Amino acid sequence: AAGVIQSPRHLIKEKRETATLKCYPIPRHDTVYWYQQGPGQDPQFLISFYEKMQSDKGSIPDRFSAQQFSDYHSELNMSSLELGDSALYFCASSLGQGNDEQYFGPGTRLTVT
Amino acid sequence: KNQVEQSPQSLIILEGKNCTLQCNYTVSPFSNLRWYKQDTGRGPVSLTIMTFSENTKSNGRYTATLDADTKQSSLHITASQLSDSASYICVVSGATSGTYKYIFGTGTRLKVLA
Repeated sequence: AAGVIQSPRHLIKEKRETATLKCYPIPRHDTVYWYQQGPGQDPQFLISFYEKMQSDKGSIPDRFSAQQFSDYHSELNMSSLELGDSALYFCASSLGQGNDEQYFGPGTRLTVT
Repeated sequence: KNQVEQSPQSLIILEGKNCTLQCNYTVSPFSNLRWYKQDTGRGPVSLTIMTFSENTKSNGRYTATLDADTKQSSLHITASQLSDSASYICVVSGATSGTYKYIFGTGTRLKVLA
């Protein structure tokens, strides 16, 4: 069965650069969630989208923005990168924004040097 | 204080042994509780999901229990295997103003030794 796809899997950027992470949800899933997981920490919810509209917002810095496109894929744009942005970024998708199972992607490991 | 707390923080056991991981939560209102297995550097994979009315749920060698009154859950792993080495995360789903949120626990890092 198709799973959540994230690209790239690894990304190395320098301070103050920008990065764009992509997430392709499971086919027919209309809701996408973004999480940030620092080393040894639990995932922190950043933002979610349902039917291309932002549905919920968590601890996403103002330097970050995200959107969901007509094909339901989502992109997380990160600007003015800081060393502390180094983390695993997970995308999850679900069918509907209710209490449905969230299926996680493999993550993108971002390293800021 | 984290709304979902897990214990122990880390655990080392020998292959073939059983172990039990604990999860206490204060999330309210509560919708359901999930246990995930997360291998290092990979996305969490769902093991079990339990709603308010369910006391136990099994998935192979994994058995989860839930006591919604005391807000406690446990994950029991039977006859552990080397491949069970991973982080196990308890995730509680609660609804706030109609929006469901996943609240992640701190995780238990399990190491199974040969």
